[in-house]
Amino acid sequence: QKEVEQDPGPLSVPEGAIVSLNCTYSNSAFQYFMWYRQYSRKGPELLMYTYSSGNKEDGRFTAQVDKSSKYISLFIRDSQPSDSATYLCAMSSNTGNQFYFGTGTSLTVIP
Amino acid sequence: SAVISQKPSRDICQRGTSLTIQCQVDSQVTMMFWYRQQPGQSLTLIATANQGSEATYESGFVIDKFPISRPNLTFSTLTVSNMSPEDSSIYLCTGETSGNLPLKFFGPGTRLTVL
Repeated sequence: QKEVEQDPGPLSVPEGAIVSLNCTYSNSAFQYFMWYRQYSRKGPELLMYTYSSGNKEDGRFTAQVDKSSKYISLFIRDSQPSDSATYLCAMSSNTGNQFYFGTGTSLTVIP
Repeated sequence: SAVISQKPSRDICQRGTSLTIQCQVDSQVTMMFWYRQQPGQSLTLIATANQGSEATYESGFVIDKFPISRPNLTFSTLTVSNMSPEDSSIYLCTGETSGNLPLKFFGPGTRLTVL
């Protein structure tokens, strides 16, 4: 079983739609939960991260962590064509530097 | 946040040859990491580059195949040795100033194709 599972998509939505991106994981030791955005031909860029459980909001983006279900989500409100990218989730435990990444979900927002 | 650059951005190489990828950070970082990103697969950590000591390799990666240098706190190189088509991938580097914090930025990546 993979440490992190992520639906690769692709996901295509109209501009203005609410987007939901999700990952599941198997390791209960994970405490840091990250979302990265990767544009074509670029390296991943950290979008948001949360520590332990709960929600975090940053503008149009909301990250949610449900540790009981081992499930994390990224919501994008009022999606824009500039949000078109691949979104990767990643997780880490409290100790060590190993980050476990999902395979990424490709998102296209259609004008 | 740090700006990370990589050279070359892409290369096409012949089987059996070696390629050295450079990673430059515009500020000092404690740790530098090398990742591989293959199509349809998650980012996989190859090794952690430590300044002044040998790199720490993850399971499945060995120093003879992926020798790493870290001569100072802003620079590292990864060599992909004796390449085969299975080494075709995007190689990414990143750095961080202290442990257990999310890796904020990656370099733009080196897209390697081995024929």
